[in-house]
Amino acid sequence: GQQVMQIPQYQHVQEGEDFTTYCNSSTTLSNIQWYKQRPGGHPVFLIQLVKSGEVKKQKRLTFQFGEAKKNSSLHITATQTTDVGTYFCAGRWGAQKLVFGQGTRLTINP
Amino acid sequence: ETGVTQTPRHLVMGMTNKKSLKCEQHLGHNAMYWYKQSAKKPLELMFVYSLEERVENNSVPSRFSPECPNSSHLFLHLHTLQPEDSALYLCASSQDEGSGTLNIQYFGAGTRLSVL
Repeated sequence: GQQVMQIPQYQHVQEGEDFTTYCNSSTTLSNIQWYKQRPGGHPVFLIQLVKSGEVKKQKRLTFQFGEAKKNSSLHITATQTTDVGTYFCAGRWGAQKLVFGQGTRLTINP
Repeated sequence: ETGVTQTPRHLVMGMTNKKSLKCEQHLGHNAMYWYKQSAKKPLELMFVYSLEERVENNSVPSRFSPECPNSSHLFLHLHTLQPEDSALYLCASSQDEGSGTLNIQYFGAGTRLSVL
């Protein structure tokens, strides 16, 4: 079946450093969503990207969708302790159900 | 509060027990999902119900049996589980309107299951 590969699996940064997680699909996606799961919590929707080359920002978070719609990234500028958690991408191909990536677990040293 | 409620929040069961997990959504959605979350597979889709019909089953063992009596309620019946089934079981709902639509998934808080 279809898969999205997400890297890295883990990332530890100092507070104030930047963070990026990447998602890749071998085939063209219809759209991609990003979710955040805080420790002990459940995944919460952050954003959806649909258009080729799309870039969206939410405060310190920047989301990109590749020109070929096969990859996406989430970049956090100047991380804060509240950014701790696991970030998941989830891709769709046509009318198929969402497929989640493996997630990137972000930990931050204050 | 996401509008998706799961009970119980924690469950400990023996391998010979039968138990059920319950999920209820108050969002008026037409699709509900069961996911298994463990260290090995962070978010593994188990079952999907869209318009109360099961549309996908990802080769989940028969010891897991879903039930969706209406669009607001979803159950996961468990019997003769194995220790490797210990995990967080997450329910989600969405408004499924086909490809290209937003189809955001709203997750419940999950049931932490331990099989002894």
